[in-house]
Amino acid sequence: QKEVEQNSGPLSVPEGAIASLNCTYSDRGSQSFFWYRQYSGKSPELIMSIYSNGDKEDGRFTAQLNKASQYVSLLIRDSQPSDSATYLCALYSGAGSYQLTFGKGTKLSVIP
Amino acid sequence: DAGVTQSPTHLIKTRGQQVTLRCSPKSGHDTVSWYQQALGQGPQFIFQYYEEEERQRGNFPDRFSGHQFPNYSSELNVNALLLGDSALYLCASSSGPAGNTIYFGEGSWLTVV
Repeated sequence: QKEVEQNSGPLSVPEGAIASLNCTYSDRGSQSFFWYRQYSGKSPELIMSIYSNGDKEDGRFTAQLNKASQYVSLLIRDSQPSDSATYLCALYSGAGSYQLTFGKGTKLSVIP
Repeated sequence: DAGVTQSPTHLIKTRGQQVTLRCSPKSGHDTVSWYQQALGQGPQFIFQYYEEEERQRGNFPDRFSGHQFPNYSSELNVNALLLGDSALYLCASSSGPAGNTIYFGEGSWLTVV
């Protein structure tokens, strides 16, 4: 059974700091990895996707993937209060599977 | 460019009743997946529809059923509602069943009393 593990938090960081969100997964066949942001009472919003080992940067966000360690992370630089949300890690194994498997999410709180 | 649209946004049902939720995928997308998100949990995959057929199903009972129409829109039906069915139901669309970019609608909040 595919599992995605995240620290539920809450993770509190001061405004302007770097927030580091981590995710581990059990299925070595996983091909694609995603980070979604979900504000309270809203639906998940895709913020980053990563498919190969290494770093991928998009503005203040950097996703990091290490398939050997089965680990994916999201760094948020210069954190803003508007970044306060739950961050969901999800994976897509691809091979014969059409479903996204999500972690429970990490709640991030950016303190002004 | 319309995104994924869902209806209704909120509804309250009584145990034992039946509910139908509706979804129109993002323009250009032909695949619809449904997810259930209970409070404090990540979304759980219910099933996916492509070419009007159920392509894959998650670990949900037969009380959960669906349909996809020729225009790619979809319905989720839940029969014999239980209190535990109270959740946010999310529709996601993609281009093809293996499409990597998946967009969610705003969801339908179902409360079973």
